[in-house]
Amino acid sequence: DADVTQTPRNRITKTGKRIMLECSQTKGHDRMYWYRQDPGLGLRLIYYSFDVKDINKGEISDGYSVSRQAQAKFSLSLESAIPNQTALYFCATSETTGGLQPQHFGDGTRLSIL
Amino acid sequence: TQLLEQSPQFLSIQEGENLTVYCNSSSVFSSLQWYRQEPGEGPVLLVTVVTGGEVKKLKRLTFQFGDARKDSSLHITAAQTGDTGLYLCAGVMNYGGSQGNLIFGKGTKLSVKP
Repeated sequence: DADVTQTPRNRITKTGKRIMLECSQTKGHDRMYWYRQDPGLGLRLIYYSFDVKDINKGEISDGYSVSRQAQAKFSLSLESAIPNQTALYFCATSETTGGLQPQHFGDGTRLSIL
Repeated sequence: TQLLEQSPQFLSIQEGENLTVYCNSSSVFSSLQWYRQEPGEGPVLLVTVVTGGEVKKLKRLTFQFGDARKDSSLHITAAQTGDTGLYLCAGVMNYGGSQGNLIFGKGTKLSVKP
């Protein structure tokens, strides 16, 4: 079983709909992250959480919200989806911050908003 | 402003050739990581470099961190088709400029043809 599991893997929806992307991990890490990846733009940080009670905005948080339901679960919501939120979304975990430990990524959710 | 510039953006070579991918910045990084991402999967860590001038080897891959910790390179010797993928550099800025979070470059898409 994968250490970081994202559901769904693919989603097509319409403008204005509310969408939730879910992430669960079995690595026991406190730190979890949500990124979006667009062609030619690399990975950009949306939100991050250092523990269940700690939620922080990343570089591009507008239009998104998150919930850390437990150490192992971190979900990303789009309250009212718009077409420019069409992208590949990744959840990741890490043991620490500071770039000395790897980030462990899920296999991504491909989201298309029509 | 892109803090980490990767070049080239695309690279297509024949099996057996050598190649170098660059990751440059005007900012100092306390550490830098290289990830490889294959289609349909999340990025996977290849290496972490932390000391200016550091060189690390991973089989046919050689990673170098610049003396001033502003740039890094990835050199692949005798490329194989299995090296095909998206190579991402990611760093943590010195002096807490990114709150300890990774900043990603846009990536280099490598295609190795048989």
